[in-house]
Amino acid sequence: AQKVTQAQTEISVVEKEDVTLDCVYETRDTTYYLFWYKQPPSGELVFLIRRNSFDEQNEISGRYSWNFQKSTSSFNFTITASQVVDSAVYFCALSGPLMNYGGATNKLIFGTGTLLAVQP
Amino acid sequence: EPEVTQTPSHQVTQMGQEVILRCVPISNHLYFYWYRQILGQKVEFLVSFYNNEISEKSEIFDDQFSVERPDGSNFTLKIRSTKLEDSAMYFCASSEIERGPHNEQFFGPGTRLTVL
Repeated sequence: AQKVTQAQTEISVVEKEDVTLDCVYETRDTTYYLFWYKQPPSGELVFLIRRNSFDEQNEISGRYSWNFQKSTSSFNFTITASQVVDSAVYFCALSGPLMNYGGATNKLIFGTGTLLAVQP
Repeated sequence: EPEVTQTPSHQVTQMGQEVILRCVPISNHLYFYWYRQILGQKVEFLVSFYNNEISEKSEIFDDQFSVERPDGSNFTLKIRSTKLEDSAMYFCASSEIERGPHNEQFFGPGTRLTVL
């Protein structure tokens, strides 16, 4: 079965601190995709990154970076020099397997989220 | 930038009433989804829809739920007889076909459903 675990329920940091959000996943598929979404206080879900299981290169986008390690089934997210606007709930998600009949599906299996509070 | 839109933003209904939540996916997208998020909890998959039919549904998506794409732009979720436990934020999402079904999904702003 597929599962995503975000063990950190809440993290509080002071502005300009670096913070890492952990994500551990379980899947039996050899091909899968991992995602991070941000949910600010306004409630919408904002796509941040998509990574496939064959690409273990770390990615950096501005102050955001992601560390994908297949050996530990982890896909961690680091925010460098955090800002108050980074305050949100962050969800890690795993795409489900394609159906056996080849039907198109891409359900996302979400973790429980990590609430990040960045204090000024 | 194209975005997924949802209406209404907040729906209040009495238990047992039918509700229809509406979504307009991004125009060139062909995969559509509904998810729900009970307050303070994680986002849960309800149903995926492609080529005018349901591709997959979760155990939450029982006979009380249905989806429809009545025209070329709208995608609706109907709950026939609402229960208190249906109170949640309902998100519509869509993704494009170009790279297959594992593209990133773009979410709408959500409809908050409150069942009294």
